[in-house]
Amino acid sequence: KAGVTQTPRYLIKTRGQQVTLSCSPISGHRSVSWYQQTPGQGLQFLFEYFSETQRNKGNFPGRFSGRQFSNSRSEMNVSTLELGDSALYLCASSLGPGGLASNYGYTFGSGTRLTVV
Amino acid sequence: AQRVTQPEKLLSVFKGAPVELKCNYSYSGSPELFWYVQYSRQRLQLLLRHISRESIKGFTADLNKGETSFHLKKPFAQEEDSAMYYCALRGGGGQNFVFGPGTRLSVLP
Repeated sequence: KAGVTQTPRYLIKTRGQQVTLSCSPISGHRSVSWYQQTPGQGLQFLFEYFSETQRNKGNFPGRFSGRQFSNSRSEMNVSTLELGDSALYLCASSLGPGGLASNYGYTFGSGTRLTVV
Repeated sequence: AQRVTQPEKLLSVFKGAPVELKCNYSYSGSPELFWYVQYSRQRLQLLLRHISRESIKGFTADLNKGETSFHLKKPFAQEEDSAMYYCALRGGGGQNFVFGPGTRLSVLP
């Protein structure tokens, strides 16, 4: 059974550019949640999608957006990149809603490491 | 507003010593509290949730609503407990998660 797949694994972008990250959940999982991990800020919740609907959103500026497709795959987009957006972006998938508190448990992907120069 | 604080960035203890990782929160309603652990080169894992009232790997945590705390405790630390520990809060109604900054626990031989 394939795990959670995040692509690309590594990405280098220039300030001002935009970037799209992808997360393919475990087959049958309908919930995908996204997190940003940095040494300075630690782990921060970005958003959670369940059945193509955004259920929750963290305290990030509007430059951060996401969506979920009918096959449960999710994409995260960051526009007008800033140096501070450099981070490891993690997604987690679950059968049911609730993200990391889902009663169904969750599985993380390996993350996409974004470097903004 | 939801907020989680973990006052210690790094905590070092000797093997066999008791360990307590502090977590305080601010939230006006009834929160759900969690502890997550990330071992070196591994993915983030759920360690405890307060509603379960269970002990995992010898760790326990009690929600103290009066002191708004959810400290993680283990009576005898092991070297394999060395990891990054995050306390997290989720507000009622399925609101989003808020994580504390994390405490790196180092258990020395």
